[in-house]
Amino acid sequence: AQKITQTQPGMFVQEKEAVTLDCTYDTSDPSYGLFWYKQPSSGEMIFLIYQGSYDQQNATEGRYSLNFQKARKSANLVISASQLGDSAMYFCAMREVMYSGGGADGLTFGKGTHLIIQP
Amino acid sequence: GAVVSQHPSRVICKSGTSVKIECRSLDFQATTMFWYRQFPKQSLMLMATSNEGSKATYEQGVEKDKFLINHASLTLSTLTVTSAHPEDSSFYICSASNRDYQPQHFGDGTRLSIL
Repeated sequence: AQKITQTQPGMFVQEKEAVTLDCTYDTSDPSYGLFWYKQPSSGEMIFLIYQGSYDQQNATEGRYSLNFQKARKSANLVISASQLGDSAMYFCAMREVMYSGGGADGLTFGKGTHLIIQP
Repeated sequence: GAVVSQHPSRVICKSGTSVKIECRSLDFQATTMFWYRQFPKQSLMLMATSNEGSKATYEQGVEKDKFLINHASLTLSTLTVTSAHPEDSSFYICSASNRDYQPQHFGDGTRLSIL
């Protein structure tokens, strides 16, 4: 079974509209971290936002917010007031802590969502 | 903020050549770095975890003799693709984190094309 599921392979959104990118995850580790990265066509991975499994509040970073619903195992990314420069691939990723022995561990990525902002 | 530098950004070479890719953490010490591979229109897949001063940990299905990893210092990890073949053509990208549980910062990636 996939650990990270992104069900939207592609999305078209009008400029200035808000957009929600879906992400669900699967883990039995009680301690984990969820990440969203943006990958423009040039290839670099740009960190957007992070949510820890024990965080009480949803994470926010500027125009980005994470709608964290732990019981549903979902961590949707919300981009407010979308801009043309937001067009890119967006990846949801997870790091499990317990199974790694508590130290740093690699990320498991979803398949990504290709977001296109239209003028 | 934390910066990770990766070099070279693009490599085109003949089949059978060995290619070395460097990953440097520029303003922090990284005891652990990670190497990922991304085929066109696919997601990133973790290849291996590079540990400073010890052997790398490889993910299932990744040949350790094919993808040699050296993490000789707290700021540098190298990935060498030995005797590369066309099927090794891919986008290779490294990441590092300056503290446990903190977001990983990625290098800009290396596009490897084997002719």
